[in-house]
Amino acid sequence: DTEVTQTPKHLVMGMTNKKSLKCEQHMGHRAMYWYKQKAKKPPELMFVYSYEKLSINESVPSRFSPECPNSSLLNLHLHALQPEDSALYLCASSPRTNTNTEAFFGQGTRLTVV
Amino acid sequence: GQNIDQPTEMTATEGAIVQINCTYQTSGFNGLFWYQQHAGEAPTFLSYNVLDGLEEKGRFSSFLSRSKGYSYLLLKELQMKDSASYLCAVRDFNFNKFYFGSGTKLNVKP
Repeated sequence: DTEVTQTPKHLVMGMTNKKSLKCEQHMGHRAMYWYKQKAKKPPELMFVYSYEKLSINESVPSRFSPECPNSSLLNLHLHALQPEDSALYLCASSPRTNTNTEAFFGQGTRLTVV
Repeated sequence: GQNIDQPTEMTATEGAIVQINCTYQTSGFNGLFWYQQHAGEAPTFLSYNVLDGLEEKGRFSSFLSRSKGYSYLLLKELQMKDSASYLCAVRDFNFNKFYFGSGTKLNVKP
């Protein structure tokens, strides 16, 4: 299994809703990432988890709340989002944090905030 | 901080060779990675360099010069399916962060 699986693929939510994005990998990777990508822009790093602990938060607003329940799962809880938060949210993982290895990306969740 | 530059768009002909350049200035460096991304899809890994020189993987090759902060991706025998965005990414000294360039949109014409 060499996949990073994200659910849902598409999500439409209102500004008062609470929703969660899910990411799963069974490759034994111990670093997991959330990226946000707007149309025609590169992915922007949001959070990094290393061995299930949050190691990097790139000054992301608190309406985005990450969670890593175990080494295979990564969630992103969403609350009180704004229309400008509409984007493709990408999850990625890499084998360990201290090696020169690539990150594997999931297919993303396309989020629309209305 | 990180500053990664790539051309915005390039056009090439099917069967030809194209070189996509990337220059970077980073506070720390631990590898340069090339990803391919089709519209609306996830980035897929193509190649990476951590030492100077050329890495070849089939139709794709990537070159790195750390002293010049420069890399390129070389695509040979272009196919229509190679039309995509190509992202240059630098892994910083913390090993945890991948910073992406703005991407180069490659259009392959018949």
